[in-house]
Amino acid sequence: NAGVTQTPKFQVLKTGQSMTLQCAQDMNHNSMYWYRQDPGMGLRLIYYSASEGTTDKGEVPNGYNVSRLNKREFSLRLESAAPSQTSVYFCASSIYSASGKTADTQYFGPGTRLTVL
Amino acid sequence: DAKTTQPTSMDCAEGRAANLPCNHSTISGNEYVYWYRQIHSQGPQYIIHGLKNNETNEMASLIITEDRKSSTLILPHATLRDTAVYYCIVRVGNSGGSNYKLTFGKGTLLTVNP
Repeated sequence: NAGVTQTPKFQVLKTGQSMTLQCAQDMNHNSMYWYRQDPGMGLRLIYYSASEGTTDKGEVPNGYNVSRLNKREFSLRLESAAPSQTSVYFCASSIYSASGKTADTQYFGPGTRLTVL
Repeated sequence: DAKTTQPTSMDCAEGRAANLPCNHSTISGNEYVYWYRQIHSQGPQYIIHGLKNNETNEMASLIITEDRKSSTLILPHATLRDTAVYYCIVRVGNSGGSNYKLTFGKGTLLTVNP
């Protein structure tokens, strides 16, 4: 049981390049999330997917797109990278169910460290 | 989600109990208290959560006051590997709609000293 995995671990891009960050979870969770963390700051939600087939914007969605490929995988795409997108990106998942009665705990991956020059 | 207040930093001797306080005086009846930690350069790690009763798991204990306005995370025997930023988060447990995000504040930097 690997939990939440992310690839790549590190990436350096030039301004204007595109790339996709991959995330997968093996916990059969319904919900998945993408956060970014800038130095000395808390995590900010970029996009989330409450269930397979749905995605919604978080606090800072501009410059990003997402795809919920299936229940396990949730990818984050930067179409034209900018230096302001230099950050550490974390993917998370949770079991959330609309009919559930238990607390919805999010579990995080190890992160992708992205530098845009 | 209710706002939380935590000390900026704390020190603890290795092998001793680390008690991390959190104030959440505006907590609502349906809001849980969650604790996460982030070791340098790693992803946030879930520790424990609770609603009203005290909770214990293999990592820590969570003590919630009767009025639920504050709580304490207890690491019973701190090790050097417990050095991290600890976040106390209050949120509706089974969140839906626009309440999906976890709001991480500044947290408490716990330094465990040899």
